Amino acid sequence: LAKTTQPISMDSYEGQEVNITCSHNNIATNDYITWYQQFPSQGPRFIIQGYKTKVTNEVASLFIPADRKSSTLSLPRVSLSDTAVYYCPGRNNAGNMLTFGGGTRLMVKP
Amino acid sequence: GAVVSQHPSRVICKSGTSVKIECRSLDFQATTMFWYRQFPKQSLMLMATSNEGSKATYEQGVEKDKFLINHASLTLSTLTVTSAHPEDSSFYICSAMSRDTQYFGPGTRLTVL
Repeated sequence: LAKTTQPISMDSYEGQEVNITCSHNNIATNDYITWYQQFPSQGPRFIIQGYKTKVTNEVASLFIPADRKSSTLSLPRVSLSDTAVYYCPGRNNAGNMLTFGGGTRLMVKP
Repeated sequence: GAVVSQHPSRVICKSGTSVKIECRSLDFQATTMFWYRQFPKQSLMLMATSNEGSKATYEQGVEKDKFLINHASLTLSTLTVTSAHPEDSSFYICSAMSRDTQYFGPGTRLTVL
C-alpha cells in the first residue's frame, strides 16, 4: 500500500501562486500520480494526473521529479474560490484503488 | 472528464430503517466502483470495492451485512445501509475508474435520527 504525505494546511492570498508538495515514498513503478480538490459536502474533483516530468492543464500544473518520490501541484494566481482541501492519494498494491490521507487544507485570503 | 452521479444527494431516515444510495457512471462503463465514507473534518475512508457481476470486497472493519453493495450493471452500483443507526450518519461518496483515473460522485449526506 502506497501512502502519501502532504502538509496539513497552507495559507495564501488572492493572485498568488500556490505550490503543494506531496511525498510518494512507496509509489509503485506503474502508478500515476493524481490530485483532487474537495469542497465541503462535495465529492473530490479531479484536478490533474501525471506519471513523470510536468503536466499542465487549464487548472493547474503538476511537477514530478525523475525519482517520482514526490509531486508538486501548482495553482497559478489563486482566488478565494480555490479555498478547499487538496488530496494526493496513494494507491493499493494493485494500483486500482485510491487511499486518502488527510489532505492539505488551503485557505486563500483576500 | 468522466461523470459520476449519486442519488439521492441527501437523505434523512429514522433509526432502524434501510436506505439505498445509487451511483451511476453517466458517460462510461465501470466494471469496478468504490464506496467511501467521510465523517466531518476527516478524510475519505474506503468502505468497499464494488465489482460488476460479483461480490463486493469490503475493507477491514466494514460490516458486509450492514452495508449491502450491488453492482448489477456496468453503469450502476448501489449501497444499502441496513438497519441504520445514528452512528451511520455520514457523507457517502462513490467513485468509478475511467482510463486509469478515478472519478468521484457528488456524495450523499445520510442523517439517521
